[in-house]
Amino acid sequence: DGGITQSPKYLFRKEGQNVTLSCEQNLNHDAMYWYRQDPGQGLRLIYYSQIVNDFQKGDIAEGYSVSREKKESFPLTVTSAQKNPTAFYLCASSPQFGGSFGYGYTFGSGTRLTVV
Amino acid sequence: KQEVTQIPAALSVPEGENLVLNCSFTDSAIYNLQWFRQDPGKGLTSLLLIQSSQREQTSGRLNASLDKSSGRSTLYIAASQPGDSATYLCAAAPTSGTYKYIFGTGTRLKVLA
Repeated sequence: DGGITQSPKYLFRKEGQNVTLSCEQNLNHDAMYWYRQDPGQGLRLIYYSQIVNDFQKGDIAEGYSVSREKKESFPLTVTSAQKNPTAFYLCASSPQFGGSFGYGYTFGSGTRLTVV
Repeated sequence: KQEVTQIPAALSVPEGENLVLNCSFTDSAIYNLQWFRQDPGKGLTSLLLIQSSQREQTSGRLNASLDKSSGRSTLYIAASQPGDSATYLCAAAPTSGTYKYIFGTGTRLKVLA
Protein backbone atom coordinates (compact mmCIF):
# COMPACT_ATOMS: atom_id res chain seq x y z
CA ASP A 1 0.00 0.00 0.00
CA GLY A 2 1.16 3.52 -0.74
CA GLY A 3 1.87 5.89 2.06
CA ILE A 4 4.33 8.06 3.93
CA THR A 5 6.92 6.60 6.28
CA GLN A 6 8.53 8.74 8.96
CA SER A 7 11.46 7.53 11.01
CA PRO A 8 12.42 7.27 13.73
CA LYS A 9 9.22 7.33 15.78
CA TYR A 10 11.09 8.76 18.79
CA LEU A 11 14.30 10.78 18.71
CA PHE A 12 16.38 12.27 21.48
CA ARG A 13 18.74 15.16 20.87
CA LYS A 14 21.49 16.47 23.08
CA GLU A 15 22.12 20.17 23.38
CA GLY A 16 24.14 21.50 20.43
CA GLN A 17 23.52 18.45 18.28
CA ASN A 18 22.02 18.31 14.79
CA VAL A 19 19.52 15.55 14.08
CA THR A 20 17.80 14.45 10.87
CA LEU A 21 14.23 13.21 10.58
CA SER A 22 13.41 10.97 7.66
CA CYS A 23 10.30 11.19 5.45
CA GLU A 24 9.76 8.83 2.51
CA GLN A 25 6.66 8.52 0.32
CA ASN A 26 5.72 6.01 -2.37
CA LEU A 27 2.62 7.86 -3.54
CA ASN A 28 4.36 9.53 -6.48
CA HIS A 29 3.37 12.90 -5.03
CA ASP A 30 5.15 16.02 -6.27
CA ALA A 31 4.70 18.15 -3.15
CA MET A 32 5.94 17.45 0.37
CA TYR A 33 5.67 19.36 3.63
CA TRP A 34 7.07 19.43 7.15
CA TYR A 35 4.93 20.57 10.07
CA ARG A 36 5.61 21.04 13.73
CA GLN A 37 2.90 20.36 16.32
CA ASP A 38 3.07 21.63 19.91
CA PRO A 39 0.47 20.97 22.63
CA GLY A 40 -2.45 23.37 22.37
CA GLN A 41 -1.25 24.81 19.07
CA GLY A 42 -2.20 24.09 15.51
CA LEU A 43 0.14 22.68 12.92
CA ARG A 44 2.84 25.12 11.87
CA LEU A 45 4.56 24.81 8.52
CA ILE A 46 8.35 24.54 8.62
CA TYR A 47 9.35 23.89 5.00
CA TYR A 48 7.66 22.71 1.83
CA SER A 49 8.77 21.45 -1.55
CA GLN A 50 6.72 21.69 -4.73
CA ILE A 51 9.07 19.59 -6.83
CA VAL A 52 12.43 17.85 -6.73
CA ASN A 53 15.41 20.15 -6.08
CA ASP A 54 13.15 22.96 -4.95
CA PHE A 55 11.99 23.92 -1.45
CA GLN A 56 10.66 27.01 0.30
CA LYS A 57 10.58 28.26 3.87
CA GLY A 58 7.34 28.01 5.73
CA ASP A 59 6.23 30.04 8.73
CA ILE A 60 8.83 28.78 11.24
CA ALA A 61 11.90 27.76 9.20
CA GLU A 62 14.59 29.21 11.51
CA GLY A 63 16.82 26.48 12.94
CA TYR A 64 15.72 23.89 10.37
CA SER A 65 17.03 22.76 6.99
CA VAL A 66 15.75 20.39 4.30
CA SER A 67 16.76 18.82 1.01
CA ARG A 68 14.75 17.34 -1.86
CA GLU A 69 17.17 15.35 -4.01
CA LYS A 70 14.65 12.62 -4.80
CA LYS A 71 10.92 12.79 -5.38
CA GLU A 72 10.32 10.18 -2.69
CA SER A 73 12.38 11.74 0.08
CA PHE A 74 12.22 14.99 2.06
CA PRO A 75 14.48 14.81 5.14
CA LEU A 76 14.36 17.51 7.82
CA THR A 77 17.44 18.48 9.84
CA VAL A 78 16.91 20.15 13.19
CA THR A 79 20.04 22.17 13.81
CA SER A 80 21.57 23.41 17.04
CA ALA A 81 20.25 26.85 16.11
CA GLN A 82 16.71 25.68 16.88
CA LYS A 83 16.36 26.74 20.51
CA ASN A 84 13.19 24.86 21.37
CA PRO A 85 13.11 21.73 19.21
CA THR A 86 11.07 19.48 21.50
CA ALA A 87 7.87 18.82 19.53
CA PHE A 88 5.97 16.37 17.37
CA TYR A 89 7.03 16.58 13.71
CA LEU A 90 4.72 15.58 10.88
CA CYS A 91 5.52 15.07 7.23
CA ALA A 92 2.84 15.30 4.55
CA SER A 93 2.53 15.06 0.79
CA SER A 94 0.04 15.95 -1.92
CA PRO A 95 -0.16 15.14 -5.65
CA GLN A 96 0.26 18.79 -6.52
CA PHE A 97 1.26 21.74 -4.43
CA GLY A 98 -1.12 23.07 -1.82
CA GLY A 99 -4.79 22.26 -1.92
CA SER A 100 -5.24 23.32 -5.52
CA PHE A 101 -6.64 21.02 -8.20
CA GLY A 102 -8.78 19.30 -5.60
CA TYR A 103 -6.15 17.16 -3.94
CA GLY A 104 -5.86 16.73 -0.20
CA TYR A 105 -2.90 15.95 2.01
CA THR A 106 -1.62 12.57 3.20
CA PHE A 107 0.30 12.51 6.48
CA GLY A 108 2.94 10.26 7.99
CA SER A 109 2.76 8.91 11.54
CA GLY A 110 5.10 11.51 13.00
CA THR A 111 8.40 11.73 14.89
CA ARG A 112 8.53 12.88 18.49
CA LEU A 113 11.75 14.79 19.16
CA THR A 114 12.91 15.42 22.71
CA VAL A 115 15.90 17.42 23.85
CA VAL A 116 17.79 15.76 26.70
CA LYS B 1 -5.13 36.12 5.64
CA GLN B 2 -7.12 32.92 6.05
CA GLU B 3 -7.82 31.84 9.62
CA VAL B 4 -9.43 28.56 10.63
CA THR B 5 -11.16 28.16 13.99
CA GLN B 6 -12.58 25.10 15.68
CA ILE B 7 -14.92 25.43 18.62
CA PRO B 8 -15.21 23.85 21.12
CA ALA B 9 -11.62 22.87 21.88
CA ALA B 10 -12.85 19.80 23.78
CA LEU B 11 -16.08 17.83 23.94
CA SER B 12 -17.30 14.84 25.99
CA VAL B 13 -20.43 12.93 25.02
CA PRO B 14 -22.05 9.64 26.04
CA GLU B 15 -21.83 6.71 23.67
CA GLY B 16 -24.56 6.59 21.03
CA GLU B 17 -25.06 10.33 20.77
CA ASN B 18 -25.07 12.08 17.40
CA LEU B 19 -22.70 15.04 17.42
CA VAL B 20 -21.51 17.95 15.33
CA LEU B 21 -18.02 19.41 15.19
CA ASN B 22 -17.61 22.92 13.84
CA CYS B 23 -14.97 24.51 11.64
CA SER B 24 -15.04 28.20 10.67
CA PHE B 25 -12.85 29.96 8.12
CA THR B 26 -12.56 33.68 7.44
CA ASP B 27 -11.99 33.68 3.66
CA SER B 28 -14.58 31.89 1.54
CA ALA B 29 -12.21 31.62 -1.43
CA ILE B 30 -11.07 28.04 -0.89
CA TYR B 31 -10.33 25.13 -3.22
CA ASN B 32 -11.40 22.53 -0.73
CA LEU B 33 -11.62 21.66 2.96
CA GLN B 34 -10.30 18.49 4.53
CA TRP B 35 -11.22 16.85 7.84
CA PHE B 36 -8.64 14.78 9.70
CA ARG B 37 -8.58 12.57 12.76
CA GLN B 38 -5.55 12.40 15.07
CA ASP B 39 -5.13 9.80 17.79
CA PRO B 40 -2.73 10.63 20.66
CA GLY B 41 0.88 10.46 19.53
CA LYS B 42 -0.09 9.58 15.97
CA GLY B 43 -0.19 11.25 12.59
CA LEU B 44 -3.25 12.71 10.89
CA THR B 45 -5.68 10.40 9.11
CA SER B 46 -7.79 11.91 6.35
CA LEU B 47 -11.53 11.46 6.92
CA LEU B 48 -13.26 13.52 4.25
CA LEU B 49 -12.27 15.99 1.55
CA ILE B 50 -14.93 18.43 0.30
CA GLN B 51 -14.31 20.32 -2.92
CA SER B 52 -15.44 23.95 -3.13
CA SER B 53 -18.17 22.96 -5.60
CA GLN B 54 -19.62 20.35 -3.22
CA ARG B 55 -21.91 20.86 -0.28
CA GLU B 56 -21.26 17.60 1.54
CA GLN B 57 -19.38 14.33 1.61
CA THR B 58 -20.24 11.12 3.43
CA SER B 59 -18.22 8.16 4.63
CA GLY B 60 -19.93 5.60 6.85
CA ARG B 61 -21.14 7.33 10.01
CA LEU B 62 -19.40 10.57 9.05
CA ASN B 63 -20.90 13.43 7.07
CA ALA B 64 -19.13 16.68 6.36
CA SER B 65 -20.86 19.74 4.99
CA LEU B 66 -19.46 22.92 3.51
CA ASP B 67 -21.09 26.36 3.36
CA LYS B 68 -18.58 28.72 1.77
CA SER B 69 -20.85 31.75 1.97
CA SER B 70 -20.99 31.54 5.75
CA GLY B 71 -17.42 30.28 6.12
CA ARG B 72 -18.43 27.12 7.90
CA SER B 73 -17.95 23.38 7.70
CA THR B 74 -19.44 20.81 10.04
CA LEU B 75 -18.49 17.21 10.68
CA TYR B 76 -21.45 15.11 11.77
CA ILE B 77 -20.75 11.84 13.58
CA ALA B 78 -23.72 9.52 13.93
CA ALA B 79 -24.14 7.06 16.78
CA SER B 80 -20.81 7.92 18.40
CA GLN B 81 -18.63 5.13 19.82
CA PRO B 82 -15.72 5.14 22.29
CA GLY B 83 -13.45 4.36 19.33
CA ASP B 84 -14.33 7.76 17.88
CA SER B 85 -12.41 9.42 20.72
CA ALA B 86 -9.64 11.47 19.10
CA THR B 87 -8.78 15.01 18.05
CA TYR B 88 -10.51 16.18 14.88
CA LEU B 89 -8.85 18.86 12.74
CA CYS B 90 -10.06 20.71 9.70
CA ALA B 91 -7.89 22.41 7.09
CA ALA B 92 -8.84 24.83 4.32
CA ALA B 93 -6.94 25.34 1.06
CA PRO B 94 -7.10 29.01 -0.02
CA THR B 95 -7.27 29.93 -3.70
CA SER B 96 -4.95 32.88 -3.32
CA GLY B 97 -1.42 33.32 -2.11
CA THR B 98 0.63 30.17 -1.81
CA TYR B 99 -2.34 27.76 -1.71
CA LYS B 100 -1.04 26.03 1.41
CA TYR B 101 -3.53 24.38 3.72
CA ILE B 102 -4.44 26.39 6.83
CA PHE B 103 -5.19 24.17 9.85
CA GLY B 104 -7.52 24.69 12.76
CA THR B 105 -6.33 23.81 16.28
CA GLY B 106 -8.73 20.88 16.54
CA THR B 107 -11.56 19.60 18.73
CA ARG B 108 -10.62 16.91 21.23
CA LEU B 109 -13.52 14.46 21.41
CA LYS B 110 -14.10 11.93 24.16
CA VAL B 111 -16.94 9.43 23.82
CA LEU B 112 -17.84 7.87 27.15
CA ALA B 113 -18.88 4.22 27.34
